[in-house]
Amino acid sequence: AQKITQTQPGMFVQEKEAVTLDCTYDTSDQSYGLFWYKQPSSGEMIFLIYQGSYDEQNATEGRYSLNFQKARKSANLVISASQLGDSAMYFCAMRTGGFKTIFGAGTRLFVKA
Amino acid sequence: EAGVAQSPRYKIIEKRQSVAFWCNPISGHATLYWYQQILGQGPKLLIQFQNNGVVDDSQLPKDRFSAERLKGVDSTLKIQPAKLEDSAVYLCASSSPFRTAVRDSQEASGNTIYFGEGSWLTVV
Repeated sequence: AQKITQTQPGMFVQEKEAVTLDCTYDTSDQSYGLFWYKQPSSGEMIFLIYQGSYDEQNATEGRYSLNFQKARKSANLVISASQLGDSAMYFCAMRTGGFKTIFGAGTRLFVKA
Repeated sequence: EAGVAQSPRYKIIEKRQSVAFWCNPISGHATLYWYQQILGQGPKLLIQFQNNGVVDDSQLPKDRFSAERLKGVDSTLKIQPAKLEDSAVYLCASSSPFRTAVRDSQEASGNTIYFGEGSWLTVV
């Protein structure tokens, strides 16, 4: 069975510091993709970053990077230099070769001034 | 490029009434998803279409929920009769066919799932 696990219901980080949001996944598929989305209080789902299962390098997009450890089945999101606007819910998601896409329960990030 | 369009944005109905939500995906996107997101939880996949065929509807409560994508473009999600526990945001999303082996970020963006703004349902 496919599963996404986010074990941190809430996280606090000081402004300008880095923070890591954890995500582990389970799938028997060899081909899959991993995503992170941000959901502010307005409710929209904003795509942040993508990592393919065959990608050898960790994905990076501006202040976001994905720490992909395939053997451990983890895909942690690292946000560098946190900003107040980063306060939001963050969801990890997985899309498999069978096209099904599932989401984790999310982590709420609070950035302190 | 226009994004995923959803309507209505907000709906309040009484239990046992019916409601329908409409979604128009990004032009050219073959895959369309309907997710249910209850407050404080992650999105739960209700149904996934590839063109006009159903890929997965294992979590769709078929006794009350139905969805169609007749021409492989826009889609409608219906709830009849509604229950109090159906109060949630119904998110529609779309994407291109999945490719795992991509060479650069531009190709990777083709795997991205784009969401609409959601349809907020309150059942009273």
